Amino acid sequence: AQSVTQPDIHITVSEGASLELRCNYSYGATPYLFWYVQSPGQGLQLLLKYFSGDTLVQGIKGFEAEFKRSQSSFNLRKPSVHWSDAAEYFCAVGTTGGFKTIFGAGTRLFVKA
Amino acid sequence: SAVISQKPSRDICQRGTSLTIQCQVDSQVTMMFWYRQQPGQSLTLIATANQGSEATYESGFVIDKFPISRPNLTFSTLTVSNMSPEDSSIYLCSVGGTGGEKLFFGSGTQLSVL
Repeated sequence: AQSVTQPDIHITVSEGASLELRCNYSYGATPYLFWYVQSPGQGLQLLLKYFSGDTLVQGIKGFEAEFKRSQSSFNLRKPSVHWSDAAEYFCAVGTTGGFKTIFGAGTRLFVKA
Repeated sequence: SAVISQKPSRDICQRGTSLTIQCQVDSQVTMMFWYRQQPGQSLTLIATANQGSEATYESGFVIDKFPISRPNLTFSTLTVSNMSPEDSSIYLCSVGGTGGEKLFFGSGTQLSVL
């Protein structure tokens, strides 16, 4: 069965600093990989996704993520964080059979001035 | 894209009672998914609902506690039975996620059990 690990429960970065959120997955085949963001009291918004092709994917709000098969990782990055990026970030994996999507535990991002 | 209407949006219930949550999609979909998001936690998949067959439950979830109906391709219900305070959570209906698509979520049902 597939699983997702986000090793960092929370991360604090200064505004303007770079960000990397870690995600490791377990799945027997090539997975579909997603990053979602959830702001307080809001629903989930898709930042980006990967399922084939270029292993570096660009998303909304200046985010990008890189798929590394050898490390079973799909880390999310942003070169310069804005205060409005403070939110909960969820990595998720979907099966190539497309039957379900499993979410990681999430990483809470705090942005300090 | 898909637009999902979910109701009720919130409810406060007494211990031992049951609540049925409804989910209506604006297009026909093969699979609908029910998730739970406990306070400060991630989304946990409860079950996958297919039209015309029994729902498929994830580990830790059982049909007696969370019966699901899927009478047609645009509608599903999730019942939270014999509720306890531990069932206090947000329950989310979703569709999509197949073939690399993103998931579309309903607005959620915030359940508080006293």
